[in-house]
Amino acid sequence: NAGVTQTPKFQVLKTGQSMTLQCAQDMNHNSMYWYRQDPGMGLRLIYYSASEGTTDKGEVPNGYNVSRLNKREFSLRLESAAPSQTSVYFCASHKSGTGGTFGRGGRNFFGPGTRLTVL
Amino acid sequence: AQTVTQSQPEMSVQEAETVTLSCTYDTSESDYYLFWYKQPPSRQMILVIRQEAYKQQNATENRFSVNFQKAAKSFSLKISDSQLGDAAMYFCAYRSGTNRDDKIIFGKGTRLHILP
Repeated sequence: NAGVTQTPKFQVLKTGQSMTLQCAQDMNHNSMYWYRQDPGMGLRLIYYSASEGTTDKGEVPNGYNVSRLNKREFSLRLESAAPSQTSVYFCASHKSGTGGTFGRGGRNFFGPGTRLTVL
Repeated sequence: AQTVTQSQPEMSVQEAETVTLSCTYDTSESDYYLFWYKQPPSRQMILVIRQEAYKQQNATENRFSVNFQKAAKSFSLKISDSQLGDAAMYFCAYRSGTNRDDKIIFGKGTRLHILP
């Protein structure tokens, strides 16, 4: 059980280049999320997927696209990277609560993050 | 829309002392969850403590406890007997108990320094 995995861990892009950040979870969670973290801004939601086949915009979606490829995978794509997209990106998933270890309300799991620099 | 506010960008505390991190939130919902997450330099997001809004009793996890004031929409974190390993960024966070998307809304964080 690897939890939430993200690739790559680090990436440097030039302005205008494109790339896809990959995220996968092996916990059979329905909901998955992409956040970006910037100094002094906390974590802000970019996009999320409440279930396989659905995606919705979060607080800061401009410049990004997402794909929920299947229940396991949720990718984030930068079509034309800009310096303003320099950030640390976190993927997360959510396990709904039905009692047990996580109780009512479940629990969120986070990936290790990807540090992206756009020059 | 819900918001989470952490008014202390940085705090310092002497090792073995007690420190309280502040958090306020705004919501019109009655069913929700509040969290404190710790982020050490490794960037890993670690859940410290969780509070369910319908529970009046304040949550406690070893040296970590919260003061949950629902009417005031306040959710502070108290760290007792501070240790060097507590040095990290701490995020207060909110999640609706009624929305099906289960997304978490974060505050901007408080960086905690532990002075030896």
